[in-house]
Amino acid sequence: SYVLTQPPSVSVAPGQTTRITCAGVNIGRKSVQWYQQKPGQAPLLVVHDDSDRPSGIPERFSGSNSGNTATLTISRVEAGDEADYYCQVWDSYSDPVVFGGGTKLTVL
Amino acid sequence: QVRLVQSGAEVKKPGASVKVSCKASGYTFTSHAVHWVRQAPGQRLEWMGWINAANGNTKYSQKFQGRVTITRDTSASTTYMELSSLKSEDTTVYYCARLDGYFFDYWGQGTLVTVSS
Repeated sequence: SYVLTQPPSVSVAPGQTTRITCAGVNIGRKSVQWYQQKPGQAPLLVVHDDSDRPSGIPERFSGSNSGNTATLTISRVEAGDEADYYCQVWDSYSDPVVFGGGTKLTVL
Repeated sequence: QVRLVQSGAEVKKPGASVKVSCKASGYTFTSHAVHWVRQAPGQRLEWMGWINAANGNTKYSQKFQGRVTITRDTSASTTYMELSSLKSEDTTVYYCARLDGYFFDYWGQGTLVTVSS
């Protein structure tokens, strides 16, 4: 089955930029989604189709995808961005929906 | 506005079954597939299966094949996920989510299922 690998955690100071990676074989050929999940809440879509933002999501959230790595970039990080972030793709083999292991973003 | 409202928390004994509902509103129910995802405490999101709300076709994760059944009632705009032969490892939060294209744009609030003797 297809595997997505994310770093378990990243830390960033307020106002800085952080990048969360999602690695997978030839992930650049797939459409990547990113979800933000705060404690006790359902996931919230922040980026879809590699780099599109749903309405209501700040421009500070952006995405890119190439080769074997997709990246979620959060600019001018705020305390409210502290959450777990999950990448997700569709796979043609085995289970069609695959999630990464999640990355815990800590705002220092 | 679009909403997915799930049924309340459940406590079940090992070996029993649980059926969680997900009532949709704010959109044409048959226009979007509904998926079910679960998440154990501190663990990753885990996809379980999905249903085509228009025709009822389903596909399940290999991990849950044979134990999970997803159905829908179009008259009630509701999707159901039933998991049988419950084990302690099934103690987790279950989410329904609406599919739009390749992404899940709306999620239910989650339903905690606790399996305990």
